[in-house]
Amino acid sequence: GAVVSQHPSRVICKSGTSVKIECRSLDFQATTMFWYRQFPKKSLMLMATSNEGSKATYEQGVEKDKFLINHASLTLSTLTVTSAHPEDSSFYICSASESSGYNEQFFGPGTRLTVL
Amino acid sequence: GQNIDQPTEMTATEGAIVQINCTYQTSGFNGLFWYQQHAGEAPTFLSYNVLDGLEEKGRFSSFLSRSKGYSYLLLKELQMKDSASYLCAVMDSNYQLIWGAGTKLIIKP
Repeated sequence: GAVVSQHPSRVICKSGTSVKIECRSLDFQATTMFWYRQFPKKSLMLMATSNEGSKATYEQGVEKDKFLINHASLTLSTLTVTSAHPEDSSFYICSASESSGYNEQFFGPGTRLTVL
Repeated sequence: GQNIDQPTEMTATEGAIVQINCTYQTSGFNGLFWYQQHAGEAPTFLSYNVLDGLEEKGRFSSFLSRSKGYSYLLLKELQMKDSASYLCAVMDSNYQLIWGAGTKLIIKP
């Protein structure tokens, strides 16, 4: 099956610093990548959708200047949480699919971010 | 607005059968997904239904009724490892996944 990796799996940082999370599709070309955030005991919340080579589409309420997304290639997307604050502490999950229409989303293992 | 409803928590006994229901109201419909998520891990795909009826895959089956906006996930011969959250998600007319809050399934010996 298709494999998506995320790095790092866990990160602890100080308030005010920036954190970059990488999402890679290892054995397929991901035309579309999705970034989700999940708070404890809550559902997945879509933050943004990115297509290779174009700007990400952010969901309502998600600050694009705070959560920078780059989808530079068909196998890599990055999410940078800029000037992180404790309320940004969450489980960040990426997923990737081979097209923008129906296609199964393959999830990465997630990144646990803790901002002190 | 778009809405996915599923029970918050269910408890079942090892070896038994459990049915997790999901009702939805979305703008358009391009299929319904069930995912399993163990604590601290990302979701893993279980099933996809786009036509009415029952899809069986081993111990897991998923049913869809589009006219009723309803689906269920049926788990048979429950094992302790099935303890997890089960997420229902609907793909809307924009091919965007709308997620339910998940049902935490607790399996007791």
